[in-house]
Amino acid sequence: ILNVEQSPQSLHVQEGDSTNFTCSFPSSNFYALHWYRWETAKSPEALFVMTLNGDEKKKGRISATLNTKEGYSYLYIKGSQPEDSATYLCASVTQGGSEKLVFGKGTKLTVNP
Amino acid sequence: DAGVIQSPRHEVTEMGQEVTLRCKPISGHDYLFWYRQTMMRGLELLIYFNNNVPIDDSGMPEDRFSAKMPNASFSTLKIQPSEPRDSAVYFCASSLGSRIEAQYFGPGTRLLVL
Repeated sequence: ILNVEQSPQSLHVQEGDSTNFTCSFPSSNFYALHWYRWETAKSPEALFVMTLNGDEKKKGRISATLNTKEGYSYLYIKGSQPEDSATYLCASVTQGGSEKLVFGKGTKLTVNP
Repeated sequence: DAGVIQSPRHEVTEMGQEVTLRCKPISGHDYLFWYRQTMMRGLELLIYFNNNVPIDDSGMPEDRFSAKMPNASFSTLKIQPSEPRDSAVYFCASSLGSRIEAQYFGPGTRLLVL
């Protein structure tokens, strides 16, 4: 069974703060790691898909890194804004067998103005 | 493109009734996924299709749940008979590929079984 863990479960920061959170996944048979952003009352939207060890992706003030050998990924938000408030989900997918994504339970970020 | 379309958006039904959820994926996407979101278990995959063929239904909770994809532009998830513990938000998602392609989620169907 593939377990994807995210921490912290929730996070409150002030506008302008930079923040980061963690996604841990089993490193064996790793194929790809997905990050999604999920605003309240909406549906998840893809941020990044990462496959290579050491990979770093960036979209505006949000960036992510990947360590496939130790099985973790960090998501960073620089200068948080209230509109960044959302739940951030990561999902891992393995080589071979099923192509399904296994999602973590997410980190709920609240940015206070 | 209109994105992934799901209907109905909300469904309230009584225990024992049949419930059918519908999904229209993004045109050209050959993967379709059905997920269930609950507070306890988070977002969990129920079943996925590739080119209209069910590939992995290991997440379908029991025989009361069934899913079909008769063509590339339509899929259904059926619960018969429904139970209160089936109350959840059900999402449909589609993608161009599988492992390294982003999934595009529909708005979800919020199901309440009384």
